[in-house]
Amino acid sequence: ETGVTQTPRHLVMGMTNKKSLKCEQHLGHNAMYWYKQSAKKPLELMFVYSLEERVENNSVPSRFSPECPNSSHLFLHLHTLQPEDSALYLCASSQGALLDTQYFGPGTRLTVL
Amino acid sequence: AQTVTQSQPEMSVQEAETVTLSCTYDTSESDYYLFWYKQPPSRQMILVIRQEAYKQQNATENRFSVNFQKAAKSFSLKISDSQLGDAAMYFCAYRSAYGGSQGNLIFGKGTKLSVKP
Repeated sequence: ETGVTQTPRHLVMGMTNKKSLKCEQHLGHNAMYWYKQSAKKPLELMFVYSLEERVENNSVPSRFSPECPNSSHLFLHLHTLQPEDSALYLCASSQGALLDTQYFGPGTRLTVL
Repeated sequence: AQTVTQSQPEMSVQEAETVTLSCTYDTSESDYYLFWYKQPPSRQMILVIRQEAYKQQNATENRFSVNFQKAAKSFSLKISDSQLGDAAMYFCAYRSAYGGSQGNLIFGKGTKLSVKP
């Protein structure tokens, strides 16, 4: 389980806080993804990066801001979140964007108070 | 738009027995991929098995096999000789064979599998 790592594993934040989620992949992949997993809902794709360029942005509110400084790292910057943003945020990576099998990290459990 | 439906929110199986998890999908495309992912409690999601729609032969991976019925748009997962470590959420997912946003993974809501000793 060391292929894709995420930190922190748990995060509690207030609605006025600013925090960042980090994802790192050690698989030599060149595409990375952010997903949101809420209870009793299908996983929702948020962002896709391929070769460090954003290729997908699924109508995600601007309070979520992704950053991909290189092919191994992906961040999700959070600010002025709402309680309904509480969820498990999963990072994934693949060799090619969208067309290859994705490998997931363990997720960050986010609670917004 | 494609959709994936898992009609069984929860399933239970006795250790060493066989269980089948159901998945149906809706698409107008002829070429696509189907996946089963396993997410154990508090652990990361891992790929269990993958099926290419153009292949008629059902995919198998050790104790895991699928029953792919393309005409019926059905993709069930069979777990043989169930083990305690098989307890997890299982997600069925669809992906178009075409690029761009059509290549997004589309997930079902998941089936929680419990294994009784």
